[in-house]
Amino acid sequence: QSVLTQPPSVSAAPGLKVTISCSGGPSDVGNNFVSWYQQFPGTAPKLLIYDTIKRSSGIPDRFSGSKSGTSATLAITGLQTGDEADYYCASWDTSLNTEKFGGGTKLTVL
Amino acid sequence: QVQLQQWGAGLLKPAETLSLTCAVQGDSLTDYYWAWIRQPPGKGLEWIGEVFYRGGTNYSPSLQSRFTISIDTSKNQFSLKSTSVTAADTAVYYCARGQYTFRSGSTTYYFDYWGPGVLVTVS
Repeated sequence: QSVLTQPPSVSAAPGLKVTISCSGGPSDVGNNFVSWYQQFPGTAPKLLIYDTIKRSSGIPDRFSGSKSGTSATLAITGLQTGDEADYYCASWDTSLNTEKFGGGTKLTVL
Repeated sequence: QVQLQQWGAGLLKPAETLSLTCAVQGDSLTDYYWAWIRQPPGKGLEWIGEVFYRGGTNYSPSLQSRFTISIDTSKNQFSLKSTSVTAADTAVYYCARGQYTFRSGSTTYYFDYWGPGVLVTVS
């Protein structure tokens, strides 16, 4: 299973900002767009960010995406307890002709 | 509002066949890619493959030999099959709508609608 690299967990206090990194290579993140998904326990993932920086419909502007080289970042500002979830990045791999997901990051809002 | 509804057998014995179907409501299958993604218990997401509305398919290289995705536009459904499952195939299986575009030398591919998932246990 090919995966992009994410930190297993991140945490921050309510109201603060947290960033989640997603590291890949030149054939995936480095050359293609990135998407981000939010998943609560027992539910299907939900699209947050697509085309690296665009928010999906209904997603507040507290969520933002960016990319530099072969690494992408999801930033969440004004953290709320309701943001506690698992977050996954994804990108197409041009060399393997396959979609790759990150291993997932568990966000804890202290 | 697009909704994906999925069903299939949830408990299989090793070497049996996995068969799941996903029905799309609120939109046609036209112009989209339709994907299957799985998630083993407590683990991350894994893309299995996709089918285009015209019938072309693409699979993860690591899973290609064992899975088959098909589409039935007359029923607005698509399906996933795998023969000879093992315990390693135990996972929640999701169907999803894929948006795929190639522009300026880069690919964007993301999943904007997901089914609720079906837990398939091989034991």
